[in-house]
Amino acid sequence: GDSVTQMEGPVTLSEEAFLTINCTYTATGYPSLFWYVQYPGEGLQLLLKATKADDKGSNKGFEATYRKETTSFHLEKGSVQVSDSAVYFCALPTDSWGKFQFGAGTQVVVTP
Amino acid sequence: DTAVSQTPKYLVTQMGNDKSIKCEQNLGHDTMYWYKQDSKKFLKIMFSYNNKELIINETVPNRFSPKSPDKAHLNLHINSLELGDSAVYFCASSLKQGNEAFFGQGTRLTVV
Repeated sequence: GDSVTQMEGPVTLSEEAFLTINCTYTATGYPSLFWYVQYPGEGLQLLLKATKADDKGSNKGFEATYRKETTSFHLEKGSVQVSDSAVYFCALPTDSWGKFQFGAGTQVVVTP
Repeated sequence: DTAVSQTPKYLVTQMGNDKSIKCEQNLGHDTMYWYKQDSKKFLKIMFSYNNKELIINETVPNRFSPKSPDKAHLNLHINSLELGDSAVYFCASSLKQGNEAFFGQGTRLTVV
């Protein structure tokens, strides 16, 4: 079945460091791919998305490219801030109605 | 104006009690969901409704009963609460299958 695998955390970085969170997927067909972010005590927010192969999603300085050949959707940011401390989830919609398959989540901690 | 709102935000209750969580979305979406997030941040779908009809029931104990009085509302009633039910419950909605989901702020349920 469809699945998402993302790197385990926590990932601890200093401010202005480069962030990469790896995400690979297994899917039937070519679904849209999403990154969600969960700030402490809050719900999930859509961070970015890509709807087809080679699409690049971007938002708030974060980017991710839909790579069909490597079945990956890695999240990157060139210079993180303390306010980027959160849990990041890679996700894809499955064939089942409305069912999103989420990765396990990667906690990112950015220190001043 | 909140897109997906759920109440209450916090719920502390004793084992054996019955409780309800309410969810409303004002986005005009057709599909609504309940997800459970455990202490390790792992997200698992519980139910999915499309146009008030149950589409997915993901092997959830029958103590959990969702109800959708209309497309904009999806409530979750839990009977005979157990310690293991302690988690954060998220309501979400999406326009249709494959589209991004919008999440509520979550309800932190603590069973003591």
